[in-house]
Amino acid sequence: QLQLQESGPGLVKPSETLSLTCTVSGDSISSSSYYWGWIRQPPGKGLEWIGNVYYNGGTYYSPSLKSRVTISVDTSKNQFSLKLSSVTAADTAVYYCARSDPTIFGVVVISFNWFDPWGQGTLVTVSS
Amino acid sequence: QSVLTQPPSVSAAPGQKVTISCSGSSSNIGNNYVSWYLQVPGTAPKLLIYENNKRPSGIPDRFSGSKSGTSATLGIIGLQTGDEADYFCGTWDNSLSAWVFGGGTQLTVL
Repeated sequence: QLQLQESGPGLVKPSETLSLTCTVSGDSISSSSYYWGWIRQPPGKGLEWIGNVYYNGGTYYSPSLKSRVTISVDTSKNQFSLKLSSVTAADTAVYYCARSDPTIFGVVVISFNWFDPWGQGTLVTVSS
Repeated sequence: QSVLTQPPSVSAAPGQKVTISCSGSSSNIGNNYVSWYLQVPGTAPKLLIYENNKRPSGIPDRFSGSKSGTSATLGIIGLQTGDEADYFCGTWDNSLSAWVFGGGTQLTVL
């Protein structure tokens, strides 16, 4: 059974870089055609997509966060990671990782279709 | 302001039926698959419907999805108190080149 688990610091200071890791178990990150994504949810608010990564390092990012986000993959550890720089209080949220299904035309991803399963989420608070 | 519009809340009695709408545009719902997620407060979202109307293994057939033009609808019949949760729709937006979620709908089973 595929499972995802987020890990990382629960408290980050303003202007610093938020770093989280998602560990995948039950399947190999590099064995399938799926992408792996990050989604966040500020307290009491809705869901916001951050970005997706493929096992070969190919990425798709939210335009609103693209300048501050880096998502990378470590196939040897079956993990993928999120880095969000220059954080502010507005980045306080529960961060989820999830598997994502792409629609591919040729070698180009033209859309993503769903997210499943999701990790349990980890709360990251930005505060001094 | 979410790209996809959902009603903030809906309610119905146990045993009844409810529908939750998700309104978008030709750049998102109109040309891409819609998925729906259930989130019990304090827990992670769970995939409920994918590719407009398909149910993952383990999701009861009380839940259904449909899409027409630039809108999608989640239907739940035989409501149970355990269905109380937040429901989110989501899809890819071709103009934004981004995944977008609706703002979420809180279901109350009275």
